[in-house]
Amino acid sequence: KQEVTQIPAALSVPEGENLVLNCSFTDSAIYNLQWFRQDPGKGLTSLLLIQSSQREQTSGRLNASLDKSSGRSTLYIAASQPGDSATYLCAVRPGGGSNYKLTFGKGTLLTVNP
Amino acid sequence: EPEVTQTPSHQVTQMGQEVILRCVPISNHLYFYWYRQILGQKVEFLVSFYNNEISEKSEIFDDQFSVERPDGSNFTLKIRSTKLEDSAMYFCASSVSGGRADTQYFGPGTRLTVL
Repeated sequence: KQEVTQIPAALSVPEGENLVLNCSFTDSAIYNLQWFRQDPGKGLTSLLLIQSSQREQTSGRLNASLDKSSGRSTLYIAASQPGDSATYLCAVRPGGGSNYKLTFGKGTLLTVNP
Repeated sequence: EPEVTQTPSHQVTQMGQEVILRCVPISNHLYFYWYRQILGQKVEFLVSFYNNEISEKSEIFDDQFSVERPDGSNFTLKIRSTKLEDSAMYFCASSVSGGRADTQYFGPGTRLTVL
């Protein structure tokens, strides 16, 4: 059974700092991995998707990497801003193509202080 | 930019009552999903739906749950006889193709409170 773990559970940084959020998963047979952002009481906003054959994806100040064989992904946020404060979730989709469910980690609560 | 929408945003019901949660997926998407998040816990998969049938479901999705696409735009989740432990945020999601590059887009959620 796939398990997804995110470390740290919470992170507080001053504005402008670069930071890394970690995600690990127990079964390396994944189809893809998605990073989401969740604001309090709100839905999930997709940030980046990395296919199993890819090593990284970039969108603006965000860069996500994937090391499938070791079961790890990182989300790098450059020059953090107070508006980046949210919970960041990592989710993996199992391999095979006919399984659609995403398995989520519990998230990292990020606070960026002005 | 197209979005997944969900109604109502908050539903309060008595234990044992039936509830229907509604979703309008993004218009050109073909795959639809329901997830839930109990307060303080992980987001959990419930069911996926394609071509008017369930393609995958979790152990949570028992006989009390059902899904339907009653017309070309709506996708619903019905809970027949709600229990206290069904209290959660329910998210609808949709995606285009189900392929390797397929992003699942989530709606804002319906908070279900069972009293």
